[in-house]
Amino acid sequence: QSVLTQPPSVSAAPGQTVTISCSGTNSNIGSNYVSWYQQLPGTAPKFLIYDNNKRPSGIPDRFSGSKSGTSATLDITGLQTGDEADYYCGTWDRSLSAVVFGGGTRLSVL
Amino acid sequence: QVQLQESGPRLVKPSETVSLTCTFSGGSINDYYWNWIRQPPGKGLEWIGCFFYGGSIDYNPSLKSRVTISEDTSKNQLSLKLSSVTAADTAVYFCASGEYGGAHFQYWGQGALVTVSS
Repeated sequence: QSVLTQPPSVSAAPGQTVTISCSGTNSNIGSNYVSWYQQLPGTAPKFLIYDNNKRPSGIPDRFSGSKSGTSATLDITGLQTGDEADYYCGTWDRSLSAVVFGGGTRLSVL
Repeated sequence: QVQLQESGPRLVKPSETVSLTCTFSGGSINDYYWNWIRQPPGKGLEWIGCFFYGGSIDYNPSLKSRVTISEDTSKNQLSLKLSSVTAADTAVYFCASGEYGGAHFQYWGQGALVTVSS
């Protein structure tokens, strides 16, 4: 049982937009920055979004993040088959004094 | 661009200790937070702990009694020791670093699958 809650899976057609949600509490998302990671099959996670909505160099602007209260979202527009991956949200939890992750969301591009 | 590479024994017996090394290049140990993260097969990510040079070491409370993270600055290496392992500790262990603390993992190693089995 992960501290942050993500839907197990989402799907959409190429070219469409998908939103992945990440729900937490005041002790984690509500009081800290959220990061997002993309994990392609058999590879290490990749840094996708940080500080709720910033993109590292090299990440296309098709990927965007936002946060409101105790929830965060990752939006992916113009879906491509190469976007098929597992996506994880993460943040610091001040009550647990630990970094916590969501359980991950598998994106299928049909 | 920081590059990281995990190394160490990939098969460990129950009750023994997992010992892994993360060798890094392209950055100074002073400039980054250095983390260990693991992922059991088919499951999600679990943060193990974080080392910041000259500062404190943070451990996941759920693993704290069994984990030690240390550094060897002369070799540009970070190490992880996890004691009294069971099959539940079978996982891919990643080394990851970032410019800030928290869930800020800019750079990742490729990961090392450690299997706990007799």
